[in-house]
Amino acid sequence: DAGVTQSPTHLIKTRGQQVTLRCSPISGHKSVSWYQQVLGQGPQFIFQYYEKEERGRGNFPDRFSARQFPNYSSELNVNALLLGDSALYLCASSPDRGEGQPQHFGDGTRLSIL
Amino acid sequence: DAKTTQPPSMDCAEGRAANLPCNHSTISGNEYVYWYRQIHSQGPQYIIHGLKNNETNEMASLIITEDRKSSTLILPHATLRDTAVYYCIVRVLLIDSSNTGKLIFGQGTTLQVKP
Repeated sequence: DAGVTQSPTHLIKTRGQQVTLRCSPISGHKSVSWYQQVLGQGPQFIFQYYEKEERGRGNFPDRFSARQFPNYSSELNVNALLLGDSALYLCASSPDRGEGQPQHFGDGTRLSIL
Repeated sequence: DAKTTQPPSMDCAEGRAANLPCNHSTISGNEYVYWYRQIHSQGPQYIIHGLKNNETNEMASLIITEDRKSSTLILPHATLRDTAVYYCIVRVLLIDSSNTGKLIFGQGTTLQVKP
């Protein structure tokens, strides 16, 4: 079975631009979460979507937005890119919001801002 | 969410057991202990989780103390491919409308397996 897939794997942008990152969850998984990981630190929670609705948001500015589609895939959008947005962006999926279900991660999109 | 404390780094000889400790003294009764690892340039990989009983799967064993304030992840026969950052995370038991079940990562333990 395919795991969580993310695209693109690498991306280079300049300050002020906008970027869209994509995530396909494991088949049958309805919940998708996004995390940001800057170099040398653990991942930080950005968003969680479940059944196409936002269920949680971390401490990130409004420049960050996301959505989930009927097939449960998801997009993360970041506007007005800053140098500090350079990071590995991770997507994780889980079957549902039930008891103890672990999240499974993709290998991320590495975003570099010049 | 409860916080966890892990040593920043550990070494282990190849073929020996790696025992990674984690302190979670403020854990609540409705929180599981999860372990993930992250190999360089990859996403975090789920290893194992448990509530209060010891757990074992094909990757590792998880030993949780009776008071649930600490746990140990055991890799029984470490290989060079087990070199990674290991994260211990506590997370709510039941994910419902009142919480997201988000994972809160700390700095983790960098395990170096040496030949």
